[in-house]
Amino acid sequence: GAGVSQSPRYKVAKRGQDVALRCDPISGHVSLFWYQQALGQGPEFLTYFQNEAQLDKSGLPSDRFFAERPEGSVSTLKIQRTQQEDSAVYLCASSLKASGGAFYNEQFFGPGTRLTVL
Amino acid sequence: KQEVTQIPAALSVPEGENLVLNCSFTDSAIYNLQWFRQDPGKGLTSLLLIQSSQREQTSGRLNASLDKSSGRSTLYIAASQPGDSATYLCAVGRFAGNMLTFGGGTRLMVKP
Repeated sequence: GAGVSQSPRYKVAKRGQDVALRCDPISGHVSLFWYQQALGQGPEFLTYFQNEAQLDKSGLPSDRFFAERPEGSVSTLKIQRTQQEDSAVYLCASSLKASGGAFYNEQFFGPGTRLTVL
Repeated sequence: KQEVTQIPAALSVPEGENLVLNCSFTDSAIYNLQWFRQDPGKGLTSLLLIQSSQREQTSGRLNASLDKSSGRSTLYIAASQPGDSATYLCAVGRFAGNMLTFGGGTRLMVKP
């Protein structure tokens, strides 16, 4: 596909359950970002990869959140022991590079995964 | 810490009106600024990207300006249409990674 894809689109989890959210970035994009969007608010940064290296995870809200991108392409965001406050839309974005001109650093977003924790 | 504010939070206008959405940010040391559109239940669609060295960008009926020194950007929408109804988000990118800090968005309704 031409754009960023995410799966599943919707996930309902019981409190305490572990979940895994997948992101397929645009082919060839070096940079990958995860954001969390609470209802009625703007997205907030969670973590950033350049190829397979996780260069910034300062936005992860707790050690229950873990992200990986082992081969520098697909990324997975894992949330352990989900809590109700984890309910949000999780957005993935990719860009060709993190630096350089506009052609390189424009971020393209996927449709998101809406997580509901009961 | 960078903070991004969008005013107004919601806006309702009749079709055909020209309108301006405002975005302000507290730290002028930005890498770029990006305007997005978000439709209900959907992801973000990139509208315009302004590099920190640029003053404005235009795409069709949209024009975005950037004044780094005053920490402001505006998105101008000409001849608004009902299809423009959506939430518009402003985001600033920081150096060393270009992670985006978003405003809360402006929810726009264009009435036929």
